[in-house]
Amino acid sequence: DQQVKQNSPSLSVQEGRISILNCDYTNSMFDYFLWYKKYPAEGPTFLISISSIKDKNEDGRFTVFLNKSAKHLSLHIVPSQPGDSAVYFCAASARVIQGAQKLVFGQGTRLTINP
Amino acid sequence: GAGVSQSPSNKVTEKGKDVELRCDPISGHTALYWYRQSLGQGLEFLIYFQGNSAPDKSGLPSDRFSAERTGGSVSTLTIQRTQQEDSAVYLCASSLNFQETQYFGPGTRLLVL
Repeated sequence: DQQVKQNSPSLSVQEGRISILNCDYTNSMFDYFLWYKKYPAEGPTFLISISSIKDKNEDGRFTVFLNKSAKHLSLHIVPSQPGDSAVYFCAASARVIQGAQKLVFGQGTRLTINP
Repeated sequence: GAGVSQSPSNKVTEKGKDVELRCDPISGHTALYWYRQSLGQGLEFLIYFQGNSAPDKSGLPSDRFSAERTGGSVSTLTIQRTQQEDSAVYLCASSLNFQETQYFGPGTRLLVL
């Protein structure tokens, strides 16, 4: 039972353009969402998060949008840079229910930024 | 300050052997988590420690897996009688407390032959 899904295993974007990574979830109890970035042979690095009380959170080139009715979130990177090439993981947790950040991760999307 | 560290970075073992994986969390972080990432899969939660509370072991796949956290700091994940399906990257994360962002270590790549 995949509660968090990233349906695109890979995405290729030209440098300077917008990258949009998508994530869908099924558990309506999830109330906190995060995006992590992972380079080969390294652990995931936290990028940005959003609480379910918001529909948008922005940090520099990164913006996360949350559509609770559709159980969908997306990460926008603009402008995309070569250093953004990595695997991006969407994660969710049900803080209120579990009282802990037991994160449920998607399968990841490999983003490649082409010069 | 120093991030989460894990050792060894790589481990090759034979089927049936026991392995121990170590995690040193960020100093002062009270919450510690273990995840694993199998080939082509997302990260799978294994176990969670918060302070002196009983650990949340709900993600451990079998009773061959166990973990402990000594003195509220270093944690060891032990896999007994390893199987080939245990081959994965085992990732440790820590957070200031259970409500805060988790920071990950580089992982231990385990290969069971």
